[in-house]
Amino acid sequence: GAGVSQSPSNKVTEKGKDVELRCDPISGHTALYWYRQSLGQGLEFLIYFQGNSAPDKSGLPSDRFSAERTGGSVSTLTIQRTQQEDSAVYLCASSPLSTASWAGELFFGEGSRLTVL
Amino acid sequence: AQKITQTQPGMFVQEKEAVTLDCTYDTSDPSYGLFWYKQPSSGEMIFLIYQGSYDQQNATEGRYSLNFQKARKSANLVISASQLGDSAMYFCAMRGHGSSNTGKLIFGQGTTLQVKP
Repeated sequence: GAGVSQSPSNKVTEKGKDVELRCDPISGHTALYWYRQSLGQGLEFLIYFQGNSAPDKSGLPSDRFSAERTGGSVSTLTIQRTQQEDSAVYLCASSPLSTASWAGELFFGEGSRLTVL
Repeated sequence: AQKITQTQPGMFVQEKEAVTLDCTYDTSDPSYGLFWYKQPSSGEMIFLIYQGSYDQQNATEGRYSLNFQKARKSANLVISASQLGDSAMYFCAMRGHGSSNTGKLIFGQGTTLQVKP
């Protein structure tokens, strides 16, 4: 497809289990972002990948959270030993951002809704 | 450190009237970009408008305009001739361009706008 694809769209898991959320960005987009949005709240920055640069992990809330981006394309956000407070919508976005074009808007996926019981 | 502040959790406007959504920011970066996104109840994130810190004129996109006051560090969104379909959550966001900034985009907490018929 032409847009950012995220899977699964919904995930229900039990406390303590690990989950993986996948993001397939728009082809050719060099920048990829993960955000977390709790119900009715703003977007909390988690991690940002830009080309071959080291990712900006400054938003990851704990060491239970990690993300990788393979081959500069698909990204996986992993949450280990999930807690109830991890319940949220996890949004992925990509951008054709380059150092020459800082105005690049973000194109968002539809999100993965995570519910931890 | 960068910060975006949206002080209006909720706003009401009468259909066909104009409304201003407030956004203030804080950054030490010499240049930066400011964005506004709309999130309807469906959850998708829709890019509305972009303003660069060195742009001479305020950005406009159709019924959307950005009232950029650099000295006050404010970037308010003005929606003219409100329509029922404008009812949504609105987010202000910023990306800094300084040498210490990775280029991540951070968001404010959002303002919920309801348009009354």
